[in-house]
Amino acid sequence: EAGVAQSPRYKIIEKRQSVAFWCNPISGHATLYWYQQILGQGPKLLIQFQNNGVVDDSQLPKDRFSAERLKGVDSTLKIQPAKLEDSAVYLCASSPSGRGSYNEQFFGPGTRLTVL
Amino acid sequence: GNSVTQMEGPVTLSEEAFLTINCTYTATGYPSLFWYVQYPGEGLQLLLKATKADDKGSNKGFEATYRKETTSFHLEKGSVQVSDSAVYFCALSEGRGATNKLIFGTGTLLAVQP
Repeated sequence: EAGVAQSPRYKIIEKRQSVAFWCNPISGHATLYWYQQILGQGPKLLIQFQNNGVVDDSQLPKDRFSAERLKGVDSTLKIQPAKLEDSAVYLCASSPSGRGSYNEQFFGPGTRLTVL
Repeated sequence: GNSVTQMEGPVTLSEEAFLTINCTYTATGYPSLFWYVQYPGEGLQLLLKATKADDKGSNKGFEATYRKETTSFHLEKGSVQVSDSAVYFCALSEGRGATNKLIFGTGTLLAVQP
């Protein structure tokens, strides 16, 4: 079974530029997560989708970050404009179901973003 | 709010040494607890989990017991190998209700020397 796919793996941009990350979850997984992992810290949830609806985006900086999951499959996360403090690894994860009980989350390899 | 605290690294051990990585948590309700591992250049992988008090999670020689009285979930392995070198993350899931997001500790780098 194919794992969670993410692209690109690395991205370097100047501050105030825009960037987008793509994630393709494991086939059939209803729940998709985006986490931000700053160097030296644990991952922090940015947004959680259940199918194509948003379940939790309380930690998403909505003035500059946006995410969508069209058709309940793959997802894109966008930053516009980027700031220096956005330098981090952006992790995508998926799980079979997200409500009422815990299902294992499967993580992709991440996208390492460097903002100069 | 809910949080996870784990011991800072790096932890450097010789092969076949005993490993303990401490993890304590603060949570309301009854969270599930996890250890994730991140090998160099790879994504996070679930190592083991425990969903209720006194449960013991185990995998690949690693163990951790969910201790509600001490709010702890320490990771142990009796004999580490060079291939165990990785970053280990303790995490909890708030897993009741609409979401089951994971809250992670800061991670502990383990380096095992031959």
